[in-house]
Amino acid sequence: KQEVTQIPAALSVPEGENLVLNCSFTDSAIYNLQWFRQDPGKGLTSLLLIQSSQREQTSGRLNASLDKSSGRSTLYIAASQPGDSATYLCAVRWLVVDSNYQLIWGAGTKLIIKP
Amino acid sequence: DARVTQTPRHKVTEMGQEVTMRCQPILGHNTVFWYRQTMMQGLELLAYFRNRAPLDDSGMPKDRFSAEMPDATLATLKIQPSEPRDSAVYFCASGSGGRVTGELFFGEGSRLTVL
Repeated sequence: KQEVTQIPAALSVPEGENLVLNCSFTDSAIYNLQWFRQDPGKGLTSLLLIQSSQREQTSGRLNASLDKSSGRSTLYIAASQPGDSATYLCAVRWLVVDSNYQLIWGAGTKLIIKP
Repeated sequence: DARVTQTPRHKVTEMGQEVTMRCQPILGHNTVFWYRQTMMQGLELLAYFRNRAPLDDSGMPKDRFSAEMPDATLATLKIQPSEPRDSAVYFCASGSGGRVTGELFFGEGSRLTVL
């Protein structure tokens, strides 16, 4: 059974620090993995999508890496800012049959950046 | 600026009433998801469509929930009759499906309160 785990559930760091959020998955034969952020009372915003053939993706201060063999993805946030405070979720896709896929979500990491 | 549009944003209704939520996926996207989010359960997949055909609605209570795509620009989620336990935020998401699966984009959600 495919499972996605995000640890820790919550993280609080001072502004300016670099930080890493973790996403682990049980089956390494993934199709792709997507990182989202969710602000309170809002929808989910896509941050980065990594295909199974890629090792990392970058967008501004964000860098997502993928290590399928260890079943792990990390989201690196450089020079954190209070505006980065949000819940970060990862979603992993596995192909099922006939081009259909199963999307499994982690429970998220709630990040608080202290000014 | 392409985005997933959901209506209504907020809905308060009484138990037993019918509720219909609507979603306009991003033009050109052929996969549509309905999710429900609560504090206790996190994100739960209710239904998943590709090319307007339902592929997975196993997460949806069949006795009271129904999901349809009358056309490629409209997805609906109906609850009849509604119950207090249906109170949640309902998200619609769209993406490109098939063998070239792109990013998943979420709407702002419909916050439902059933009294």
